[in-house]
Amino acid sequence: GAGVSQSPSNKVTEKGKDVELRCDPISGHTALYWYRQSLGQGLEFLIYFQGNSAPDKSGLPSDRFSAERTGGSVSTLTIQRTQQEDSAVYLCASSLSLGPQDTQYFGPGTRLTVL
Amino acid sequence: KQEVTQIPAALSVPEGENLVLNCSFTDSAIYNLQWFRQDPGKGLTSLLLIQSSQREQTSGRLNASLDKSSGRSTLYIAASQPGDSATYLCAVSDNDMRFGAGTRLTVKP
Repeated sequence: GAGVSQSPSNKVTEKGKDVELRCDPISGHTALYWYRQSLGQGLEFLIYFQGNSAPDKSGLPSDRFSAERTGGSVSTLTIQRTQQEDSAVYLCASSLSLGPQDTQYFGPGTRLTVL
Repeated sequence: KQEVTQIPAALSVPEGENLVLNCSFTDSAIYNLQWFRQDPGKGLTSLLLIQSSQREQTSGRLNASLDKSSGRSTLYIAASQPGDSATYLCAVSDNDMRFGAGTRLTVKP
């Protein structure tokens, strides 16, 4: 079946512009996660959703970052007033539920470059 | 705060060699540990998931062990192949998911 998809695959933007990243999870997966990987660093957890709810937003790097999920499916990660330090690969994952026994399946990522 | 460390950062071996990748974590109160593979330009592929109650998991030429009390996990790759060349990440789950920085493996033909 179809895996996790993300769009766009690449995004180049100018500093100060807003960007929106999209994640389409595996059908039927209730849990959805956003991560980012900056150059030379490990993966950084940003936020997770159980259904449409994100109980903990503390992992988001700043208040310029926001995420939403509607209909328990597609999620968007929005970065306002982008900065050069926002350049990274943004990864989305989904799992059947939030249980620790559920494997997370990752999408291919969106490579964001802020000039 | 949970910290995950992977050693070595990079490893180069000739084809056919058996090898071990190491992962350590500071807080043993985890739900599970996963090993992932990351190929350049691609997303992560989950290789093995070990629950906190388990000691090891095996899949083909891969064997992952978990010693929760000492905060260590190893990923053993038998009879390495050039196609195994990738970055290998370990991640532990407690309330969040924490990743190590990865080990970049190169298997030379």
